[in-house]
Amino acid sequence: NAGVTQTPKFQVLKTGQSMTLQCAQDMNHNSMYWYRQDPGMGLRLIYYSASEGTTDKGEVPNGYNVSRLNKREFSLRLESAAPSQTSVYFCASTQGSGANVLTFGAGSRLTVL
Amino acid sequence: EDQVTQSPEALRLQEGESSSLNCSYTVSGLRGLFWYRQDPGKGPEFLFTLYSAGEEKEKERLKATLTKKESFLHITAPKPEDSATYLCAVRSGDSNYQLIWGAGTKLIIKP
Repeated sequence: NAGVTQTPKFQVLKTGQSMTLQCAQDMNHNSMYWYRQDPGMGLRLIYYSASEGTTDKGEVPNGYNVSRLNKREFSLRLESAAPSQTSVYFCASTQGSGANVLTFGAGSRLTVL
Repeated sequence: EDQVTQSPEALRLQEGESSSLNCSYTVSGLRGLFWYRQDPGKGPEFLFTLYSAGEEKEKERLKATLTKKESFLHITAPKPEDSATYLCAVRSGDSNYQLIWGAGTKLIIKP
């Protein structure tokens, strides 16, 4: 039982480069989320998808785009990376509607030089 | 403004030395308070949900309690494997999908 799988685990980018973080869950969950985690701060919601076919902005959406490709997959794209986007990114999912018990992936550590 | 504050930032205990972690919150209409455990290099893992003041939940050496202003995570006779960062989050009445997270308490249990 894989749960939530994120790729890549590590990535180094130069300022202005683009990349996509991939996330897939095998629990048949409806809702999926992208968070970023920075030292000394709580997790911050970037985007979420309440159900297949819908996406909404979270607390810190600027500089990011998302795609809910199907019920299993939810990707996060950085179109033009900036040093301020250096962070650890977590994908999460939950069964029902609303942010209740979240299952998280292992995280993707992104460094933008 | 909805806010969650966890204290202390870090806590070092000897094996077997019981203590408590604090999560203070201010939200408009609490719809759930959540505790998660995060090991280094991994994603947070769910521990407990509390919904109303006076509620308590237990799991092994951990017990979570809730009042109208704060939650405590009590750790009884901890073991080195309890070392982790413990995160607190709240869901307010303003949003179904957004949780407000504290910065966490890093707990280190020395053998």
